[in-house]
Amino acid sequence: GAGVSQSPSNKVTEKGKDVELRCDPISGHTALYWYRQRLGQGLEFLIYFQGNSAPDKSGLPSDRFSAERTGESVSTLTIQRTQQEDSAVYLCASEPGQALDEQFFGPGTRLTVL
Amino acid sequence: SQKIEQNSEALNIQEGKTATLTCNYTNYSPAYLQWYRQDPGRGPVFLLLIRENEKEKRKERLKVTFDTTLKQSLFHITASQPADSATYLCALVSSYGKLTFGQGTILTVHP
Repeated sequence: GAGVSQSPSNKVTEKGKDVELRCDPISGHTALYWYRQRLGQGLEFLIYFQGNSAPDKSGLPSDRFSAERTGESVSTLTIQRTQQEDSAVYLCASEPGQALDEQFFGPGTRLTVL
Repeated sequence: SQKIEQNSEALNIQEGKTATLTCNYTNYSPAYLQWYRQDPGRGPVFLLLIRENEKEKRKERLKVTFDTTLKQSLFHITASQPADSATYLCALVSSYGKLTFGQGTILTVHP
């Protein structure tokens, strides 16, 4: 795998439905982040996984949002009972987990809630 | 609370001029600072990293300075080109390793 991949690339859903977004980080990267980016806005931090440590969930906007990561591999971000304000691009990034790391971003999932 | 501020939401300059973008921070003691570029519809891409003990870093037409006394980093693009038009983000690492991004500055270079 060359880089971080995310699926689906686009998701259109109806208000009230649950959605699940997937992120496959670069193999061997211990750190993984989820961000939300609304149109024309900056990156909004959602959640940070680092190795086996407890995740930093301080950015999750409500209890409708949750994320899991299995070991140091794939992560899923779940949004329950979607609202129109959840419409945004959801970006995933991974880091090797060493000092002075750069983040490698995936292409994002564009979520549209009708 | 910790804060990262990128002055100027948008910056417009003429081709050939030097673009200077600012990143100020409060309540951080970062070991290093990073700059990223984001093009529309894409995720950010890493450009440069500067350590706290480095005053200046260069890469081709890019130059970054880091003043830990002023708590400020400046990002310069010399001989700017329309292809440099993008959003530029600074990022700082917290004491436990989490990277946090500023809101970004939209740079437009006019031909």
